[in-house]
Amino acid sequence: DSGVTQTPKHLITATGQRVTLRCSPRSGDLSVYWYQQSLDQGLQFLIQYYNGEERAKGNILERFSAQQFPDLHSELNLSSLELGDSALYFCASTPTGGVGTEAFFGQGTRLTVV
Amino acid sequence: GEDVEQSLFLSVREGDSSVINCTYTDSSSTYLYWYKQEPGAGLQLLTYIFSNMDMKQDQRLTVLLNKKDKHLSLRIADTQTGDSAIYFCAEREAGNMLTFGGGTRLMVKP
Repeated sequence: DSGVTQTPKHLITATGQRVTLRCSPRSGDLSVYWYQQSLDQGLQFLIQYYNGEERAKGNILERFSAQQFPDLHSELNLSSLELGDSALYFCASTPTGGVGTEAFFGQGTRLTVV
Repeated sequence: GEDVEQSLFLSVREGDSSVINCTYTDSSSTYLYWYKQEPGAGLQLLTYIFSNMDMKQDQRLTVLLNKKDKHLSLRIADTQTGDSAIYFCAEREAGNMLTFGGGTRLMVKP
């Protein structure tokens, strides 16, 4: 158990809908990262938050947004969903937002858009 | 963006050693990682190496880093069927995010 908790584990929704994925980082970790794993794109970095503020952005679509709350949990919001958004979404956390060592990943949320 | 490349597939017999290779392009990477993903599961951190090291050993795992060639390898000694999984190498970039390779599927035959 990495200590990073993601909910829900599975999500099936229709095109055009909006979903929210939730991540609770390891106790004490201030930084949260979101990644998308799809068959065609592999594992791609989406966005990073550190202590409530956006720190870095990767290949995140404009239809997607995220935030980190005062209790340090984070939510990834996906809207106007398309079939191609079907993927495994991972959250990871590290103690700091700067150079560090391990990044621990949650078990992921598998999103299926039908 | 920076690229991290791995071969797609490796098949070994149980008890043999497995060597999974990875090349990366960002010479400023501070840490390089190996993650394991079993079917339907998340990413499990196996080991990591700091960029000023050449080698790191952790039980059955040996990581070799050749900075000059930007080549990273993971050797699994006495490979078991439970080692069958997809292995990802990743580099930590300046912004602290990880860039992953495409993953190497390791199949261990009894």
